[in-house]
Amino acid sequence: QVQLQESGPGLVKPSETLSLTCTVSGVSISSYYWAWIRQPAGKGLEWIGRVSKSGTTKYNPSLTSRVTMSVDTSKNQFYLKLNSLTAADTAMYYCAKGSPYEEDAFDIWGQGTVVTVSS
Amino acid sequence: DIVMTQSPDSLAVSLGERATINCKSSQSVLSSFNNKNYFAWYQQKPGQPPKLLIYWASTRESGVPDRFSGSGSGTDFTLTISSLQAEDVAVYYCQQYYRTPTFGGGTKVEIK
Repeated sequence: QVQLQESGPGLVKPSETLSLTCTVSGVSISSYYWAWIRQPAGKGLEWIGRVSKSGTTKYNPSLTSRVTMSVDTSKNQFYLKLNSLTAADTAMYYCAKGSPYEEDAFDIWGQGTVVTVSS
Repeated sequence: DIVMTQSPDSLAVSLGERATINCKSSQSVLSSFNNKNYFAWYQQKPGQPPKLLIYWASTRESGVPDRFSGSGSGTDFTLTISSLQAEDVAVYYCQQYYRTPTFGGGTKVEIK
C-alpha cells in the first residue's frame, strides 16, 4: 500500500530555512505529482506547491518567493525548502500524493510533521 | 485566488440523521473544456491527516461509504451524510483545484 512519511527538524529559528523530506513507499514517485500542504494548529489547510517526477514545479503565489521543491527518483523522495521563516510558518506540514485523475486532488497523505518557528 | 467559503462552521446531528455541509467558491470551478467541476471534499479526524472523500464534486473515492454524497456545480456545492454514524465525527473541508488549490475553512460535525 502507498505510504508517505515526512521528516525534518521540528524546531527552526526565525529567518532560517526549513528543509523537509517526504519518503514515498508502495509506488514509484515517477508515476504521479507530489504536493506539500500545511495546517497551522486549529486552522485550515494551505497548499504550498507541487512537484512532478521530472522536477517541474508549481507553487502557491503567496509563497513562491520563498519555496523550492525538488524530487529524487532514485531515492523515491521529494523535498521542500522554505526560507526566511517567521512565526507565521509554524504549522503541521503534510506531504501528499496527487490522485490518478487530477494532480491537485490528494488521495494519499503523510501523517504530518510539526514545525515550530521560534528562537 | 479562488476563495472557498463553507457553512456552517459547525453542526450537531443526531445519530442516523442527515448532515448537510455547504461550500461556495468565489468563482466558478466548472471547466467548459470537459464539463467537470474541479472540486473535492475531505474528512479530517482529530490527530489525522485529511482523507479524500469526493472528487469532481460528486465522485466518491474508492472505499468511501455510500452515505457520503457530493452535489452541486459552478460555485455552489454540498456534502451530504445521509445517516450520521459515530465515526463520521470530524472536520470536513472543501477544496477547488480549478486554479491554485485552495481549501474552505472547515465544518466541524458533532453528535447531538
